[in-house]
Amino acid sequence: GAVVSQHPSRVICKSGTSVKIECRSLDFQATTMFWYRQFPKQSLMLMATSNEGSKATYEQGVEKDKFLINHASLTLSTLTVTSAHPEDSSFYICSATRTGQPQHFGDGTRLSIL
Amino acid sequence: SQQGEEDPQALSIQEGENATMNCSYKTSINNLQWYRQNSGRGLVHLILIRSNEREKHSGRLRVTLDTSKKSSSLLITASRAADTASYFCATAIRPLAGNMLTFGGGTRLMVKP
Repeated sequence: GAVVSQHPSRVICKSGTSVKIECRSLDFQATTMFWYRQFPKQSLMLMATSNEGSKATYEQGVEKDKFLINHASLTLSTLTVTSAHPEDSSFYICSATRTGQPQHFGDGTRLSIL
Repeated sequence: SQQGEEDPQALSIQEGENATMNCSYKTSINNLQWYRQNSGRGLVHLILIRSNEREKHSGRLRVTLDTSKKSSSLLITASRAADTASYFCATAIRPLAGNMLTFGGGTRLMVKP
């Protein structure tokens, strides 16, 4: 099946730093990538939809300047959490899809801000 | 925002028993999908059922869809300890091409050996 690689799997950093998370589709060209946030024992909340070569579409309540998304190629999207604070600590998951395919998910990134 | 609710939120059964999880949603859909998530991992796609389908099977999985009641169920037969995970339903209002999914709250399944 399709493989989506997400890196890093875990990151711990100090408050105020910026963290970049990569999402790569390894064996297919993803026209659309999605970024989700998941709190413990809760469901996935969509943060933004990213189409290659265009600006990401953010869900209501998600700060664009806080969560920068870049989708520069059909195989790579990045999420940068800028000036991260403890309340940004969460599990972030990406997914990738193309025409006629379901979403294929990465393994997630656990972000802990001290 | 979440499309609907899943029921139960948590389910604990013995190995060999069947597990049934239910999902309700609010708006008209194109398809409904079920995903599995092991603790601290990403989601694995299990099965997709379109709005014009009523039942679908895949191995030990059986999914039903009742669009009149806006509900779906996932049945796992002859459960195994390895089935322990969280299960999420997700609805799509458009066909697969770049469609956005709205996830339910999930059911945490524990299968005891």
